[in-house]
Amino acid sequence: QSALTQPASVSGSPGQSITISCTGTSTDVGSYNLVSWYQQHPGKAPKFLIYEDNKRPSGVSSRFSGSKSGNTASLTISGLQAEDEADYYCCSYGGSSTFVFGTGTEVTVL
Amino acid sequence: EVQLVESGGGLVQPGGSLRLSCAASGFSFSGYWMHWVRQAPGKGLVWVSRIINDGSGTTYADSVKGRFTISRDNAKNILFLQMSSLRAEDTAVYYCVRGFGWIPSPGTTSGFDVWGQGTTVTVSS
Repeated sequence: QSALTQPASVSGSPGQSITISCTGTSTDVGSYNLVSWYQQHPGKAPKFLIYEDNKRPSGVSSRFSGSKSGNTASLTISGLQAEDEADYYCCSYGGSSTFVFGTGTEVTVL
Repeated sequence: EVQLVESGGGLVQPGGSLRLSCAASGFSFSGYWMHWVRQAPGKGLVWVSRIINDGSGTTYADSVKGRFTISRDNAKNILFLQMSSLRAEDTAVYYCVRGFGWIPSPGTTSGFDVWGQGTTVTVSS
């Protein structure tokens, strides 16, 4: 399976909103409502942000939201804060009990 | 506190073997699917393998199929990853991860909610 495609980097100023795209195919992102998103700070383990395309786990800030259209999922971070500077990864169920992650996006807060 | 603690990483020569362990605590281990995810230096996350609650079902990424074996000991709350025929491209931090939720169709978990701190595997001569 090929990795899902994400932009290498996205940046924004504090308080702004940014959106990270995650493009897959009709056999993964487009076939299931099973895209999840993760935040990873340098040297740390990833943190669970979004599941089933647009649901937030308990304790995750409402500034993080997910959506999907066709084969492309998106993560929006609103009210950007310095602490949001990190790498972000999408992940989709790929069928046959497999999963595929995205290539990752580095978010910079200007 | 829900916790996953990996161990067993280290330096191994190409063609060698290594067994990773992941000790789970703070939750009912036998009630969850478990996964291994890896991350090569400076690279992205890659899903490696998963095992269902009772250990009777396993799945692997094509890149490790036939070389890696995932297993679990529910009596001791430990997840394992036996790695053999190791290659330089297997060099990575390996994370033990808990599966989140359950979707009856297609019959899978919907994400990964608890991650260990990772254990580093380096394959080099």
